[in-house]
Amino acid sequence: QVQLEESGGGLVKPGGSLRLSCAASGFTFSDYYMSWIRQAPGKGLEWVSYISSSGTTIYYADSVKGRFTISRDNAKNSLYLEMNSLRAEDTAVYYCARDQHPMDVWGKGTTVTVSS
Amino acid sequence: QSALTQPASVSGSPGQSITISCTGTSSDVGGHNYVSWYQQEPGKAPKVMIYDVSSRPSGVSNRFSGSKSGNTASLTISGLQAEDEADYYCSSYTSSSTVIFGGGTKLTVL
Repeated sequence: QVQLEESGGGLVKPGGSLRLSCAASGFTFSDYYMSWIRQAPGKGLEWVSYISSSGTTIYYADSVKGRFTISRDNAKNSLYLEMNSLRAEDTAVYYCARDQHPMDVWGKGTTVTVSS
Repeated sequence: QSALTQPASVSGSPGQSITISCTGTSSDVGGHNYVSWYQQEPGKAPKVMIYDVSSRPSGVSNRFSGSKSGNTASLTISGLQAEDEADYYCSSYTSSSTVIFGGGTKLTVL
């Protein structure tokens, strides 16, 4: 069935880096835009970034611009989020989602904790 | 960019109807029909309930409906059921080609 599975979360110190991955299955990954969305503990959803099906169009939220990089490997059916210069306020559950206006398939999320 | 404005909480009794509003600007809600609504149960990933302002994905109950007037979108749930208790988020694409979510509304079924 159609599925997304995130991985790569963990505990990292402020200023550190982390790379999240999202493995897609059950659909033709290369046909779809993909997004990353995060949710801080007890807070609402915050869109982080999206990437077009070919990877040529990318947008970021202002809160992560210049620090996070989204990418994809269509041959591996995988989406990535490279996170650098991490801050305490980046602590959240990070979801990947298939984005075709709307975000119709979501993973279960991976938790990133930024703390010393 | 600030989040879309939603009421923090709404409540209703079983069988009643409730409406959740989502207010933005002409650069997001008012300027696009890419307005969606998501339901999130505790500890789970969000699930799309309404897209393109008023379209319903297959499998979503017809008790859920969406509309928009100007810069404000609305989600209406009719015939409220206990299983509807969850957090609800609106979202919109923006004129900057980004995405913005509302702050979320906690629905309590009394």
